[in-house]
Amino acid sequence: GQSLEQPSEVTAVEGAIVQINCTYQTSGFYGLSWYQQHDGGAPTFLSYNALDGLEETGRFSSFLSRSDSYGYLLLQELQMKDSASYFCAVRPYSSASKIIFGSGTRLSIRP
Amino acid sequence: NAGVTQTPKFQVLKTGQSMTLQCAQDMNHNSMYWYRQDPGMGLRLIYYSASEGTTDKGEVPNGYNVSRLNKREFSLRLESAAPSQTSVYFCASSEAPGTTEAFFGQGTRLTVV
Repeated sequence: GQSLEQPSEVTAVEGAIVQINCTYQTSGFYGLSWYQQHDGGAPTFLSYNALDGLEETGRFSSFLSRSDSYGYLLLQELQMKDSASYFCAVRPYSSASKIIFGSGTRLSIRP
Repeated sequence: NAGVTQTPKFQVLKTGQSMTLQCAQDMNHNSMYWYRQDPGMGLRLIYYSASEGTTDKGEVPNGYNVSRLNKREFSLRLESAAPSQTSVYFCASSEAPGTTEAFFGQGTRLTVV
């Protein structure tokens, strides 16, 4: 089966850096994705790591280590608008068309 | 460019009533999904359709049925609604396999009383 674990809540200060972790137990998957969801809104795609290592997209970076069954999303220069929930997601090898989401991390930004 | 469109946006049902949630995408995607999200919770996969003409169960299929009407449309039916099905339902689509990026509709907020 597939299981993706995330911290339920993280709090950070505006302008700071925060890391949101995703640890997983899965038999194999195509890559690790991250989604953002504001309250009352729909999830939107942020990033995708097909291979181990760091992917950077503006203020956001995402990292994957398959050997450690671990990934993270790094948000820099935090802004109040970054207050949202963040989800990691995978497509398992066992069923490439499925997308399985983690439990989500609610990020709160303080001024 | 509409993307993924869900209807209705809000619905209140009485226990035992039935209803169908509609979803359509205009991106020519092969795969479509239905998720439910309970307050403060993650997204749980109800059913998915890898391509036109196929449907498969996800993590929480009990109490639901789906129809992949054509490549654009994927509907979710509640035959006999229960209070436990009170949730926000999201439809999504993606090109698949090969990419993990999924595009979501704006959600249907369903309350069963």
